[in-house]
This record gives sequence, C-alpha cells and structure tokens, in this order.
Amino acid sequence: DQQVKQNSPSLSVQEGRISILNCDYTNSMFDYFLWYKKYPAEGPTFLISISSIKDKNEDGRFTVFLNKSAKHLSLHIVPSQPGDSAVYFCAASEGGGADGLTFGKGTHLIIQP
Amino acid sequence: GAGVSQSPSNKVTEKGKDVELRCDPISGHTALYWYRQSLGQGLEFLIYFQGNSAPDKSGLPSDRFSAERTGGSVSTLTIQRTQQEDSAVYLCASSHGPVYEQYFGPGTRLTVT
Repeated sequence: DQQVKQNSPSLSVQEGRISILNCDYTNSMFDYFLWYKKYPAEGPTFLISISSIKDKNEDGRFTVFLNKSAKHLSLHIVPSQPGDSAVYFCAASEGGGADGLTFGKGTHLIIQP
Repeated sequence: GAGVSQSPSNKVTEKGKDVELRCDPISGHTALYWYRQSLGQGLEFLIYFQGNSAPDKSGLPSDRFSAERTGGSVSTLTIQRTQQEDSAVYLCASSHGPVYEQYFGPGTRLTVT
C-alpha cells in the first residue's frame, strides 16, 4: 500500500508559467515532508521541505503548501525555467527520520520553450 | 566540499553471484541511509545507520541483503546470491544525525543477468 502518492507521472508546462506538482499521503503520523529533484543518472537533490506545524514554506521560486486535513501537499515553481525539467519526488517522514523517507513514484516535469 | 560518493557506478553480475556496493558519506554526517529504486518506482528505504549501528534491519528485502558501517563513515551493502529482481539503482544518503534533509549519492546501477 503506497503511503505517498504522486498521481501524475508527467507534467508539461510552458517556460515562464507556474508548475504545480501534487502529492497525497495516507499516513497521518508523517510530520515532515520534502521535495527532491532528480536528473538522469544522478542522485536526488533536496529542494525544499515543510514541517507539519506549518502550511507553507517558500524558498525563491519554490513554494510548498501543506493541507493536513486533506493529506495533500503541492510544490509550486514560478516562473518555470528550462533547467527545472527533471523528475520530482515527494517524500515524507515520521518521528525523527530513523525509518528513512517514504517516497512517491515521482512526476516528470517537462518545461516547454 | 565532497558530496556522497558511491562505487561502482555500474555493476553487471550473473545471477547467483555476490555483490558489494560501497558508500562514502559526507564527512561529519553521522546518519547514513540505503535506498533502492527499481524501474518505474519510487525510492524504497532499506536501512538506516546512526553511527555504526543499524537499529532496524527489517527494511532489507531478504536475508540475502546485509549492510555494515565501520568507523562511522564508509558503508557497504552486500547482496548474496543475486537474483534478477535485485536489479535496481541502489542509492545512499547521509545527513547530520536523524534529521530530515538527506543528501544523496549518484547511485549504483546493478544489473543481474
């Protein structure tokens, strides 16, 4: 049973527009959420995170929103740039990280010129 | 500074052979994690080390898998009697203790023929 779900395997967005990547989770014990970005043949790179006590965290062009009641989070990238084309993984953790991160299957974001 | 490094980057082995994968974490990181990513899947957590000890090995897929960490630094993941379903990218990550931002290595792509 997948505890972290990214229901869109791919997303195509025009350069300069907003990219919105979505993630749903089922485990109410998750207390920390992260987004990672992955290029081919490279390991995932940490992008942004949010604690369950917050509903928004912003870092430059990247904003993560958390809706705990809906068990939903989203990553907004604005404006989208060609270098943002990559696979984005949503991940979650509970109780300090000793059980590792639980990842979604990823969304392949393609930025069109 | 140097990031997480893994070796080999690629490994092709025959079914039934043993393989050893190596991870060099970021200097000073006390926590180390192993994950694997099978084709079309998200990252699957395998094991976590705090220092040299792994409190919970239940994430390892079978008893053919073992991992150790020595000197609070380098870790090896050993797969005995490899099977074709072991084919995946094996990723290592490290962090400053059991906190949430994990930094990943580039991975080892294992192919079992």
